[in-house]
Amino acid sequence: DVKVTQSSRYLVKRTGEKVFLECVQDMDHENMFWYRQDPGLGLRLIYFSYDVKMKEKGDIPEGYSVSREKKERFSLILESASTNQTSMYLCASSPRTDTQYFGPGTRLTVL
Amino acid sequence: KQEVTQIPAALSVPEGENLVLNCSFTDSAIYNLQWFRQDPGKGLTSLLLIQSSQREQTSGRLNASLDKSSGRSTLYIAASQPGDSATYLCAVNDYKLSFGAGTTVTVRA
Repeated sequence: DVKVTQSSRYLVKRTGEKVFLECVQDMDHENMFWYRQDPGLGLRLIYFSYDVKMKEKGDIPEGYSVSREKKERFSLILESASTNQTSMYLCASSPRTDTQYFGPGTRLTVL
Repeated sequence: KQEVTQIPAALSVPEGENLVLNCSFTDSAIYNLQWFRQDPGKGLTSLLLIQSSQREQTSGRLNASLDKSSGRSTLYIAASQPGDSATYLCAVNDYKLSFGAGTTVTVRA
């Protein structure tokens, strides 16, 4: 079974803090993705990566950066957290254009 | 930019009734289309993947159709059960996934 894990289920941070969200997959997938999910807005793509050290902006990259130093790990970084970044963050991985496998999500609250 | 719309936003049916969930998309140049299920506070679980060359996919009580030319997909769930209560999301893959806002289904016992 494909397994995608995220470092935390719940996270509470203060405005201005630097926040790291980690995602690890165990199936040697090339592609990895970060989404945020908000009520009424659905899932929106923040960043994705097709290979190690490669990244591409999604639909809403502002305020975020990513890092992919190893194939199995894709990190989302909030350089200076703001209250409008309170959301559910979902990581996914996939082999090429096949189905995406999602992690359980991290619910981030920024106070 | 791909736009994905799901109608209705919410649906409540008695147990045993068949469910019909609709998804429409604006750009037909897609690799595939996926249907996901999401339980409250949880991640997404893939239900069905339809490649662009296919017309439908079936898995148990679930059947999904794809009409690429008209930009539509329909998910049918036969003989619904209370355990089918969840939010169902449609996602179109044209090198990246674009999601609809989902249909929240409640099956009443």
